[in-house]
Amino acid sequence: DGGITQSPKYLFRKEGQNVTLSCEQNLNHDAMYWYRQDPGQGLRLIYYSQIVNDFQKGDIAEGYSVSREKKESFPLTVTSAQKNPTAFYLCASSRQMTNSYEQYFGPGTRLTVT
Amino acid sequence: GNSVTQMEGPVTLSEEAFLTINCTYTATGYPSLFWYVQYPGEGLQLLLKATKADDKGSNKGFEATYRKETTSFHLEKGSVQVSDSAVYFCALTGGGNTGKLIFGQGTTLQVKP
Repeated sequence: DGGITQSPKYLFRKEGQNVTLSCEQNLNHDAMYWYRQDPGQGLRLIYYSQIVNDFQKGDIAEGYSVSREKKESFPLTVTSAQKNPTAFYLCASSRQMTNSYEQYFGPGTRLTVT
Repeated sequence: GNSVTQMEGPVTLSEEAFLTINCTYTATGYPSLFWYVQYPGEGLQLLLKATKADDKGSNKGFEATYRKETTSFHLEKGSVQVSDSAVYFCALTGGGNTGKLIFGQGTTLQVKP
């Protein structure tokens, strides 16, 4: 079955440490996205990538970094510069990044930084 | 820029009650509109979508009609079940053909037996 996998489901880190969240898709989608979800809020776009080796900042990119070396993979690094990193992180993908194609979401990673 | 507003929750209903979750939007051009559902501890699943005015999206007994005259995309279901308890997000595409999504804040639905 095609889909998006995110690992791990729960992640705990100490303040000051960088942490990398995994996102893999086998849907053969060109576009991939990272969102952050906080309690009682909608999703906010962190980074997106339309094709391999290219990515763009979203609305809240500060303190985050990404790479897109393979079509299937779009890892997100939460750096120590992110002031409030505890959140639920969702990865998504779409066939292309146009209004014609809906986004499909992974199960999410809940990151807790203490 | 484009924006979306959902009715605040939580919404609490008894099983078999009628559901309406309001969603209104502000947009330039002709955005596509979506409803996503998030079950506890999970990611989002696309529930239904509509890509042009007067389109009706439907899935699993849920429906929503793209109303350009009232800039609305209200979610309805005639008879809710306990298993429909979840958070529902209204979303629309951003300006231009970028594929970016703008999400509402989500509405929590709790259905009691």
